[in-house]
Amino acid sequence: DQQVKQNSPSLSVQEGRISILNCDYTNSMFDYFLWYKKYPAEGPTFLISISSIKDKNEDGRFTVFLNKSAKHLSLHIVPSQPGDSAVYFCAASWSGGFKTIFGAGTRLFVKA
Amino acid sequence: GAGVSQSPSNKVTEKGKDVELRCDPISGHTALYWYRQSLGQGLEFLIYFQGNSAPDKSGLPSDRFSAERTGGSVSTLTIQRTQQEDSAVYLCASSLWLTGGEETQYFGPGTRLLVL
Repeated sequence: DQQVKQNSPSLSVQEGRISILNCDYTNSMFDYFLWYKKYPAEGPTFLISISSIKDKNEDGRFTVFLNKSAKHLSLHIVPSQPGDSAVYFCAASWSGGFKTIFGAGTRLFVKA
Repeated sequence: GAGVSQSPSNKVTEKGKDVELRCDPISGHTALYWYRQSLGQGLEFLIYFQGNSAPDKSGLPSDRFSAERTGGSVSTLTIQRTQQEDSAVYLCASSLWLTGGEETQYFGPGTRLLVL
């Protein structure tokens, strides 16, 4: 039972354009969401997060949007850069639990 | 400051042998996680330690897998009688668990295990 789903295994974007990575979740108890970025041969690193009391959080070129009614969040990267090429994991947790659930990841290719 | 470290970085073993993977979390972090990432797959949760609570072992795929955390710090993941399907990258993460669930995990570089 996948509680956090990233339905696109890969995404290819031209440098300078917007990258949109999507994530869906099924557990309405989730109240904290995160995006992690992973380069080959390295562990994932935290990128950006959002609490369920917000619908948007922005950090530089990265913005996360949360649509609670649709149980959907997305990560926007604009403008995309070749160095953004990596695997992006969506993750979710809830205040009553102790375990963060990760999605399967989306591999982003940014073409120069 | 020092991040999460894991050793060995790479391990090649023969089917049927036991292996031990080590994780040194960030000092002061109360929570420690083990994950596995098989080729082309996402992060598979294995086990979770939080303070002095009993570990959450719900993700361990079989009884050949076990983990311990000594003194609330270093953790060892042991795989007995390894099988080829155990080949994967084993990732450790630690966090300073805060009430309210807003937790950021810090990952180590992983141990790449290959079972021949």
